[in-house]
Amino acid sequence: LAKTTQPISMDSYEGQEVNITCSHNNIATNDYITWYQQFPSQGPRFIIQGYKTKVTNEVASLFIPADRKSSTLSLPRVSLSDTAVYYCLVGDRGGSYIPTFGRGTSLIVHP
Amino acid sequence: DAGVTQSPTHLIKTRGQQVTLRCSPKSGHDTVSWYQQALGQGPQFIFQYYEEEERQRGNFPDRFSGHQFPNYSSELNVNALLLGDSALYLCASSMGGDQETQYFGPGTRLLVL
Repeated sequence: LAKTTQPISMDSYEGQEVNITCSHNNIATNDYITWYQQFPSQGPRFIIQGYKTKVTNEVASLFIPADRKSSTLSLPRVSLSDTAVYYCLVGDRGGSYIPTFGRGTSLIVHP
Repeated sequence: DAGVTQSPTHLIKTRGQQVTLRCSPKSGHDTVSWYQQALGQGPQFIFQYYEEEERQRGNFPDRFSGHQFPNYSSELNVNALLLGDSALYLCASSMGGDQETQYFGPGTRLLVL
């Protein structure tokens, strides 16, 4: 099971770009990388998923280098409403995969 | 398109009691997973139900059990409640046993006194 490491917390200001990096040194060949966002007293919300290179959607971008041992979630021009905990998960999407959430990265966006 | 719904939203029980939490998956989803989230921690996987059977189980004792109904809704039962069972219980739904792309409900906040 690939273990992930993320910063515990980050601070930013409105309008800035925020990059949160997740390390997963023992990622397996079939593993995908998935990011979730969680607001207080709510369930996590799927943000983005990728396997390699770059993935972009209306919310964020995910950058994955060739060795796939890390990934970076990029949030463009953050606002106060982006204040949340962000989780990085790694797994093979198969039936035997058990999602493992760490403590995530607590992002605080300041005015 | 209804998302994942859970009931009740909040619950207070005393030690030794039993509790049942309920979850209706997102429309079109057939797989339900349950998580326990203690304050300040990430969600911890309890188990997954697919085709009315428990398919995967995390590191939780047998006091935690569940059920999935033919309409894909699910229940989580916890017996002999302990103070440490106080947490936010989250239900997540997905399709075809998929574990990667899950849609979470708002959770049930359980307090054990």
